[in-house]
Amino acid sequence: SQELEQSPQSLIVQEGKNLTINCTSSKTLYGLYWYKQKYGEGLIFLMMLQKGGEEKSHEKITAKLDEKKQQSSLHITASQPSHAGIYLCGADDSGGSNYKLTFGKGTLLTVNP
Amino acid sequence: NAGVTQTPKFQVLKTGQSMTLQCAQDMNHNSMYWYRQDPGMGLRLIYYSASEGTTDKGEVPNGYNVSRLNKREFSLRLESAAPSQTSVYFCASSVLADQETQYFGPGTRLLVL
Repeated sequence: SQELEQSPQSLIVQEGKNLTINCTSSKTLYGLYWYKQKYGEGLIFLMMLQKGGEEKSHEKITAKLDEKKQQSSLHITASQPSHAGIYLCGADDSGGSNYKLTFGKGTLLTVNP
Repeated sequence: NAGVTQTPKFQVLKTGQSMTLQCAQDMNHNSMYWYRQDPGMGLRLIYYSASEGTTDKGEVPNGYNVSRLNKREFSLRLESAAPSQTSVYFCASSVLADQETQYFGPGTRLLVL
């Protein structure tokens, strides 16, 4: 199965600053998912990317998948305390044949007011 | 719609005790999953059920059994709990074929003494 490396492991930013979280795979990503988790809660789905070069945005969060489909980035513009949490990337482990996801270890984001 | 629900929210067990974690979804999804989340390890797949009537092992199935009771419900059983099974357990579901996005429940925190 493929491994997903997330960087950085943790990030502390001042409110209003921009930030980027990266997710890198050792293999081709057939589907890349971004989730957010608040402490003690479940995962909330943010975005899914499938095509090389694809970019999606929701409010102040933009996710991109590179052309080679081995790296994705999550960019937050003008961060707010509500953006704080753990961001996880997950990827289709099977090439689309059985819908299992492999997850990175997460990036802990702290936004200081 | 409640989405994915899990019971119980918290549980403390003694080594050797057994218990069943319950999961239900009301989104008419075909596929259901059980993950465990541990510090520094990220999310790891225990078992999954691609469709009603089928179950398959994930990355860390030892010490667990599952039952796909019907399309809505997918339970995880610990026959003889061990301290190494102290973790947060998440259930997820997804629509098979057209969409792979997995939607997660709020989690069950399990402590095995």
